[in-house]
Parts: sequence; structure tokens; C-alpha cells
Amino acid sequence: DVKVTQSSRYLVKRTGEKVFLECVQDMDHENMFWYRQDPGLGLRLIYFSYDVKMKEKGDIPEGYSVSREKKERFSLILESASTNQTSMYLCASGRELVGEQYFGPGTRLTVT
Amino acid sequence: RKEVEQDPGPFNVPEGATVAFNCTYSNSASQSFFWYRQDCRKEPKLLMSVYSSGNEDGRFTAQLNRASQYISLLIRDSKLSDSATYLCVVRHSGGYQKVTFGTGTKLQVIP
Repeated sequence: DVKVTQSSRYLVKRTGEKVFLECVQDMDHENMFWYRQDPGLGLRLIYFSYDVKMKEKGDIPEGYSVSREKKERFSLILESASTNQTSMYLCASGRELVGEQYFGPGTRLTVT
Repeated sequence: RKEVEQDPGPFNVPEGATVAFNCTYSNSASQSFFWYRQDCRKEPKLLMSVYSSGNEDGRFTAQLNRASQYISLLIRDSKLSDSATYLCVVRHSGGYQKVTFGTGTKLQVIP
């Protein structure tokens, strides 16, 4: 079974703090993704990575950055958290050229 | 126009009923199609891929209509455990594995 884990289930941060969200997958997948999910807006892609040290912007990259130093680990960084970044953050992984994605349990981030 | 559109519902159906959801997509070059299921406060999980000829998995049937650019999911003999949000997912042509998720259709199966 594919397993994708995320570092925290719930996180509360203050405006202006730097926030790190980590994701690890154990299936040797080439591709990894970060989404946020908000009511009425569905899942929106923030960034994805198709290889170590490679990254591509998704639909809403502003205010975020990512890091992929190892194949199994993909980190999302909020350089200076803002209240409009309060959301559910979901990490996913998948094989190259195959559309199926496997999700982690999500991190509910609240920025106050 | 949104890339992927779904009726948000909710669809409230009695146990044993048959229910169908549609999803339309705007990019005619889209390559792959999927249905995911998301339970309340849980992550999305792949339910089934959608093949050009249509495919069935137990009580679930998925269809693709490329000419009209929509996919459908039919659930027969609904169970209480089918209550969830169903997400339509479209993979684009070219580039890497980028996909677009619909906002989901909520199903509530009532005893």
C-alpha cells in the first residue's frame, strides 16, 4: 500500500511566521504535489515536482515555495504566513505519466 | 468557464437507489479521467479511472463522452457507506502529471 505522510495534522501559526509543511512518500514515486483545499473552491495545485530538485508552479504559487532535496520528501514553505493561507494542505504523490495520485492525511493550518 | 465542473449537490438518495453524477471538462485535449472519493475530513482517494469504452467496478460504472466532453459516475444499489464527496479529475495533455480536480459532488445516502 502506498503511504504518504505529512508532518502535522493540525498547526496554528501567527501572521508573519515562517511555516514548514513536510511530506514523505514511501513508494518511490517520481511526482509529488502540494494542494490546498478550501470550501467551495476544491483542491487547487500550489506546486509540483517531477524529480529531485525540480519544481513547477501550479495554479496558486504566490506566497509559497517548495523544496525537494530527496525523492521521497517534498516540503512546502510559507515564508511569511498570512491569514488568507489558513486552509487544509494536502500532499500527494504519483508515478510519472500516470494520472493517479495518492494523498496524505492533510494538515489543517490556521494562521492567526 | 471552469476547467472541470461538477454539480455540487448535495444528492440525497435512499438506500438502494441508483444515482448518477456528471462532470464536464473544457480542454478537448485532456487525456485521462478519474473519479476520486473524499470522506468528510479525510483525504481524497482514487475510486476508479475512466476508460474510453466505459468501465465498471462492482456497483460503480464510469463513462466517458469525448464528443460532449463529459464523464459520468453511476452508483447502483446505494449503500450508507457510499455517502461522501465524489471528485472528478482530469489529466491534461502534454507536460507532466498535472491534473485538475472538480470541486466535488456531495452524496448523502439516507436509511
